[in-house]
Amino acid sequence: AQSVTQLGSHVSVSEGALVLLRCNYSSSVPPYLFWYVQYPNQGLQLLLKYTSAATLVKGINGFEAEFKKSETSFHLTKPSAHMSDAAEYFCAVTPPGEYGNKLVFGAGTILRVKS
Amino acid sequence: DTAVSQTPKYLVTQMGNDKSIKCEQNLGHDTMYWYKQDSKKFLKIMFSYNNKELIINETVPNRFSPKSPDKAHLNLHINSLELGDSAVYFCASSLGQPEISNQPQHFGDGTRLSIL
Repeated sequence: AQSVTQLGSHVSVSEGALVLLRCNYSSSVPPYLFWYVQYPNQGLQLLLKYTSAATLVKGINGFEAEFKKSETSFHLTKPSAHMSDAAEYFCAVTPPGEYGNKLVFGAGTILRVKS
Repeated sequence: DTAVSQTPKYLVTQMGNDKSIKCEQNLGHDTMYWYKQDSKKFLKIMFSYNNKELIINETVPNRFSPKSPDKAHLNLHINSLELGDSAVYFCASSLGQPEISNQPQHFGDGTRLSIL
């Protein structure tokens, strides 16, 4: 079964520093990949998605992610962290061709931004 | 204008009761979902409906019964609530048919269910 691993349940960066949140998937066939952000007491908001077009995907709020098939990874980055980026980030996949569009989520990474 | 709206936002009730959570989307999407987020923030799909037809039914107790009166609504009824049902339940929707799995899902703000 498809699984998603997010390395680091908590990541702490200083304001202005690079943000790197890691995501690896398990399947041999590349899935469709998504990053979502969850602010406290809110729902999930889509940051960006990879659906087999360009491997470098740009999303909202200055985030981007690069799909690397050889590493089965889809890490999320942002060049300069803002205080407002503090939230929980979820990587998710849907296996291509799997009926139902089911999202399989990673365990999430809480991003803390220090002033 | 809320795209995916859930009611209620908070639900506190006693063990053994029956409760319902409602979800509506105004995005014109064809598919709707229910996810459960546990106390460790882990998200797992429960059900999915496409145009009122059940297409995903994960391993969920029979006490949980989704109902979709039309493609813009997906409600979740829970019978005989147990302590372990305490969680945040998220409704989501997406465009397109179930065969196409690259459509992003849009989430509601969640319903926080607490069982006393």
